[in-house]
Amino acid sequence: AQSVTQLGSHVSVSEGALVLLRCNYSSSVPPYLFWYVQYPNQGLQLLLKYTSAATLVKGINGFEAEFKKSETSFHLTKPSAHMSDAAEYFCAVSPALDDKIIFGKGTRLHILP
Amino acid sequence: EAGVTQFPSHSVIEKGQTVTLRCDPISGHDNLYWYRRVMGKEIKFLLHFVKESKQDESGMPNNRFLAERTGGTYSTLKVQPAELEDSGVYFCASSQWTGKGGELFFGEGSRLTVL
Repeated sequence: AQSVTQLGSHVSVSEGALVLLRCNYSSSVPPYLFWYVQYPNQGLQLLLKYTSAATLVKGINGFEAEFKKSETSFHLTKPSAHMSDAAEYFCAVSPALDDKIIFGKGTRLHILP
Repeated sequence: EAGVTQFPSHSVIEKGQTVTLRCDPISGHDNLYWYRRVMGKEIKFLLHFVKESKQDESGMPNNRFLAERTGGTYSTLKVQPAELEDSGVYFCASSQWTGKGGELFFGEGSRLTVL
C-alpha cells in the first residue's frame, strides 16, 4: 500500500529564506508523486508532479522538488520565501496504474516578515 | 473556463439531519472524485466516478453516505443521517483521463459542521 509522511505540521521561515518542506513516501511500485497547495479559502492547486521523466521537477511559483528513490523522499523547496507562499502544502502519491491520490497530513507554511 | 464548483460552501446541520453536497466538474471531465478532510487529519479518498459509474468507492465510510452522478455530469453526496464525526471539508475533483499522473482539479470544498 502507498502512503505519504510529511514531517512537521507547521513550518515557519523568514521572508527571503529557503523553504524546505519534507515528504517521504512508501510505495511497493514506482510511484507518481505530487505537491498540492491550498491557499486560504481556495481549493487545492497542483504545484508540481513527478512522473518518472526527471528526478528534479520544477513547478509553479518557483517551487521545485527532487525525487530521491534511495531516500524515498520528495522534498519541496524554494530558494527564497515570499509572503504570498503562506499556505498549506500537501504531498501526495498515486499508485501506478491507478489515479487515486493518497495525501499526507499537510504542512502549514508560515512566512515571517 | 469554469473550474470545479461545489455547493454549498458551508453547511451547518444538527445530528440526525440530512445534507446533500453538490459538485459540478469541469466540462468534459469524465472522472470525478470525492475526498474528505476531517480537522487535523489527512485528506482521504471517498470515491471515484467514471462518467456515471462508480469506479472505486472503497473510501466511503459507511452506508449513511450516498453518492450519485446521474447522466455523468454533476455529482451529489448525501449524508443521511449525519453524525458528529461527519464534520469536515468535502472536496470534489475532476480529471480528463484515468491512468498515470493525470492532474486532478479540485474545487474549493464544502465545509460540513454537524452539531
